[in-house]
Amino acid sequence: NAGVTQTPKFQVLKTGQSMTLQCAQDMNHEYMSWYRQDPGMGLRLIHYSVGAGITDQGEVPNGYNVSRSTTEDFPLRLLSAAPSQTSVYFCASSDAGTAKSRNTIYFGEGSWLTVV
Amino acid sequence: GENVEQHPSTLSVQEGDSAVIKCTYSDSASNYFPWYKQELGKRPQLIIDIRSNVGEKKDQRIAVTLNKTAKHFSLHITETQPEDSAVYFCAASQGGGSYIPTFGRGTSLIVHP
Repeated sequence: NAGVTQTPKFQVLKTGQSMTLQCAQDMNHEYMSWYRQDPGMGLRLIHYSVGAGITDQGEVPNGYNVSRSTTEDFPLRLLSAAPSQTSVYFCASSDAGTAKSRNTIYFGEGSWLTVV
Repeated sequence: GENVEQHPSTLSVQEGDSAVIKCTYSDSASNYFPWYKQELGKRPQLIIDIRSNVGEKKDQRIAVTLNKTAKHFSLHITETQPEDSAVYFCAASQGGGSYIPTFGRGTSLIVHP
């Protein structure tokens, strides 16, 4: 049981380049999300999905695209990288929970992205 | 939408002291309040959580309290140890519904030996 797996762990991009951060989970979770973490800013939600075929914007969606064609995968695409997108990115998943149970979020190990 | 405020942003204590981190939330519909610990270079991991029908929950040296009326909840760590040094995040969500939690900005806890 691998949990949430995201790749790559480290990446350096040039301004204007595009790339995709991969995320996969093997816990059959309905919810998946992408966060970016910057010093003093906490975890800010980029995009999220409540099920295959359904995505929605979070707090900071500009410059990013997502898709959810399967329950397991939720890739994050940087369309035209900018220095402001230098950050640590975390993919996460959780189940729907119930009124009496937790919906614990499980995070991937993080992807350190530098845009020069 | 939900707004979660977390204080302080940095907390420095001596080993053995207690540490308290406070969060407030805005949406009265929120009913699930988890706390995550993130060690340096690692991913955030759940350490304790509380639901709105409970006022306090303890797990060894950590405890969480919730005041629904005032819309605030707190993390208490007693007898702090150097390995407690990390960034702690609070969050609020409508657990059981199709809602993604909102996180606070985090508290960097430093425990000096």
